[in-house]
Amino acid sequence: DAGVIQSPRHEVTEMGQEVTLRCKPISGHNSLFWYRQTMMRGLELLIYFNNNVPIDDSGMPEDRFSAKMPNASFSTLKIQPSEPRDSAVYFCASSLLSGANVLTFGAGSRLTVL
Amino acid sequence: QQQVKQSPQSLIVQKGGISIINCAYENTAFDYFPWYQQFPGKGPALLIAIRPDVSEKKEGRFTISFNKSAKQFSLHIMDSQPGDSATYFCAASKGAQKLVFGQGTRLTINP
Repeated sequence: DAGVIQSPRHEVTEMGQEVTLRCKPISGHNSLFWYRQTMMRGLELLIYFNNNVPIDDSGMPEDRFSAKMPNASFSTLKIQPSEPRDSAVYFCASSLLSGANVLTFGAGSRLTVL
Repeated sequence: QQQVKQSPQSLIVQKGGISIINCAYENTAFDYFPWYQQFPGKGPALLIAIRPDVSEKKEGRFTISFNKSAKQFSLHIMDSQPGDSATYFCAASKGAQKLVFGQGTRLTINP
């Protein structure tokens, strides 16, 4: 298995632009998580899905952030409009809903908003 | 109640020494305590995990010690090697719910 695949790996954009981050979870995994990592706040859970259904989005910072999971093999995290304080590394992770809560993380998408 | 507090923020250990990272939690409902290891430019990866029915779990040079009454758990890396230099995160969760991560510890092993 290729693991959790995220794209793009790096994104540099200007304030006000729309940013879309993409994630392909491990085949067969039925839970998907979006995390944000910054030096100040560490790893923060933004939202997670079970069986493509959003379960908890309480970590989404504000309405500028939205996430979708149209099918079991694809999810997006969108920021519109982006702001400099959104600069961070965004990780997608997937796991099996049953059993131990073992997350497999992707390599991350480093976002820089100028 | 959802917090996991991790210390120290950074740690420097000589090659061959013992690295110790500590975490404390508040929510007594947590029943799963993993440690994740992250190398620069990579996502975190599961290193070792423990459930509260045991006080210690060892996998190779890595050991988790768990103190349920104190609500604390720690990671011990024996015979630390330069290849262990990474950021380590403790985490906790209740059942299959979302993991709550500590702030991370940047570990440097000097050769």
